[in-house]
Amino acid sequence: EVQLVESGGNLVQPGGSLRLSCAASGFTFSTYAMTWVRQAPGKGLEWVSAIRGSGDYTYYADSVRGRFTISRDNSKNTLFLQMSSLRAEDTAVYYCAKGYNISPQGWFDPWGQGTLVTVSS
Amino acid sequence: QSVLTQPPSASGTPGQRVTISCSGSSSNIGGNTVNWYQQLPGTAPKLLIYGSYHERPSGVPDRFSGSKSGSSASLAISGLQSEDEADYFCAAWDDSLNGVVFGGGTKLTVL
Repeated sequence: EVQLVESGGNLVQPGGSLRLSCAASGFTFSTYAMTWVRQAPGKGLEWVSAIRGSGDYTYYADSVRGRFTISRDNSKNTLFLQMSSLRAEDTAVYYCAKGYNISPQGWFDPWGQGTLVTVSS
Repeated sequence: QSVLTQPPSASGTPGQRVTISCSGSSSNIGGNTVNWYQQLPGTAPKLLIYGSYHERPSGVPDRFSGSKSGSSASLAISGLQSEDEADYFCAAWDDSLNGVVFGGGTKLTVL
């Protein structure tokens, strides 16, 4: 069974940093793209970032480019999102999700349960 | 403002057929697959419809179907049931933005 478990969410001050992790199991991690999608309280889904299975290509939404860095450790089946210069508008539940193949240009399934990031002083 | 446009709400009575639209452009829906996600209250999103042939993952009832024409897509739910009450999101890769774009979501109410 494919499982994705996010962790690392927390309360952080504006301008601060945080690193999210997503532990994957039940599939050959290195052969699938992974993505981060966030959902602000009471709002819709917003795509944040994606990374190819090999880790050689990364993709970012304009709203986070230059502040967030996506990476993966294929030896540990773990996806990361390093977030810096955090703003109040980054407050959201962050989900990781598995791509349909090595590239992210498709659908995502399954999704993790999410981890809450709150940016506030 | 979302790149893909969905109606914010839809409703129907049990047994009815409801459709949810998703409008985009040639750089996203027009040139790539449209995928639909269902988010039940308090839960993570779940893949509902995917791929060029609008397939359903295992376990998704055939009451759910998808279609696409040009730069627009639709999700249809037939034989509406109370457990279908959820938020529905369309999504597609955007070649111009080099990333995924989502619709703003449609809240479906079963009356």
